[in-house]
Amino acid sequence: QKEVEQDPGPLSVPEGAIVSLNCTYSNSAFQYFMWYRQYSRKGPELLMYTYSSGNKEDGRFTAQVDKSSKYISLFIRDSQPSDSATYLCATQPLTRGSNYKLTFGKGTLLTVNP
Amino acid sequence: GAGVSQSPRYKVAKRGQDVALRCDPISGHVSLFWYQQALGQGPEFLTYFQNEAQLDKSGLPSDRFFAERPEGSVSTLKIQRTQQEDSAVYLCASSLDPASNTIYFGEGSWLTVV
Repeated sequence: QKEVEQDPGPLSVPEGAIVSLNCTYSNSAFQYFMWYRQYSRKGPELLMYTYSSGNKEDGRFTAQVDKSSKYISLFIRDSQPSDSATYLCATQPLTRGSNYKLTFGKGTLLTVNP
Repeated sequence: GAGVSQSPRYKVAKRGQDVALRCDPISGHVSLFWYQQALGQGPEFLTYFQNEAQLDKSGLPSDRFFAERPEGSVSTLKIQRTQQEDSAVYLCASSLDPASNTIYFGEGSWLTVV
């Protein structure tokens, strides 16, 4: 079992839909949680970063973390065709000695149809 | 440009050939990372530099893989005697300092071994 599990999809939705992307993790040492967006043939770009359990909102994007169930989510409201990309969840441990190492999920390929 | 720059963007190597992949991090960034991303997978950690010191090389798949950052800026990932399973995208990333959770990725070097 991988340390971070993510359904690879693909996920196809109509424009304007609410999208829910999810990951689970197994290592309790993971304390930082990120969502990256990766367009085709590009590098990942950081979308959202959270530390604590709860919700964090940034425009149309909401990141949710539930440490008790080791579950992280990204919600996209009013999805746009430009949101079509692969979404990667990533985690980091709290320990400063190893805080550099990101552990990624497989990524979920999202297509938003106009 | 202001981002992480990688070269070459695309490389086709014959099995057994040596390859060198270059990374120019964002100016002034202390931390530099290499990740490997196989098709349909999330990035996997290879190695980490803090300035010129390679603090972690635990993710390098074999002794055919070697990375260096001699002057604490540009880094090179070298793969000797390439094999088909080395075919992947090699992503370089940098961050301002070890405490930063904001990591910037380059667009990657796409390696195909034939």
